[in-house]
Amino acid sequence: EIVMTQSPATLSVSPGERATLSCRASQSVSSNLAWYQQKPGQAPRLLIYGASTRATGIPARFSGSGSGTEFTLTISSLQSEDFAVYYCQQYNNWPVTFGGGTKVEIK
Amino acid sequence: EVQLVESGGGLVQPGRSLRLSCAASGFTFDDYAMHWVRQAPGKGLEWVSGISWNSGSIGYADSVKGRFTISRDNAKNSLYLQMNSLRAEDTALYYCAKPEMISGWYPDAFDIWGQGTMVTVSS
Repeated sequence: EIVMTQSPATLSVSPGERATLSCRASQSVSSNLAWYQQKPGQAPRLLIYGASTRATGIPARFSGSGSGTEFTLTISSLQSEDFAVYYCQQYNNWPVTFGGGTKVEIK
Repeated sequence: EVQLVESGGGLVQPGRSLRLSCAASGFTFDDYAMHWVRQAPGKGLEWVSGISWNSGSIGYADSVKGRFTISRDNAKNSLYLQMNSLRAEDTALYYCAKPEMISGWYPDAFDIWGQGTMVTVSS
């Protein structure tokens, strides 16, 4: 099973600032990497798939990069609605696996 | 509107059984594999099980293999999860999730999620 490790566990950012979240895979997952946003009491929402393709309706301030084992989600200018927990997921191998999450909180 | 609505959760004693359902609407259900993903309280996401569009391919997480059974009824646009021999560690919010890619049976991202149904295993 591929282990996904996210860092940091918590990221404190001021509104309007840039946020950079990291995700590392225990072995190569090529570009088969997705990012999700989850707010309290809500289901996860797909933000990015294929490591860098924004899902339908996702604002351009969200961008993904990376391939192989190292991936990054960047939120260029944090809005109030972006404070949430973010998960990465690999779908290169069965079983699909998720990282432990990064909580983006207001600084 | 594309929608997934789970039901069937509740409080159950260890060792007992429960059957979850997921009703799909707004898309061609039998064009897609479907999956269950769970989230224990305050924890991260864990894929539980998936089934191909025609039920020909099925997969389970090791943690539930031999205890859980996934199935679907394309005529009813419904997905199911039969959970037997439940344990305390199965306590979680169970989500039904649709893969991003149409057809086939392969690992995928999930673009549509239901709101989940809570399963609590406790005596």
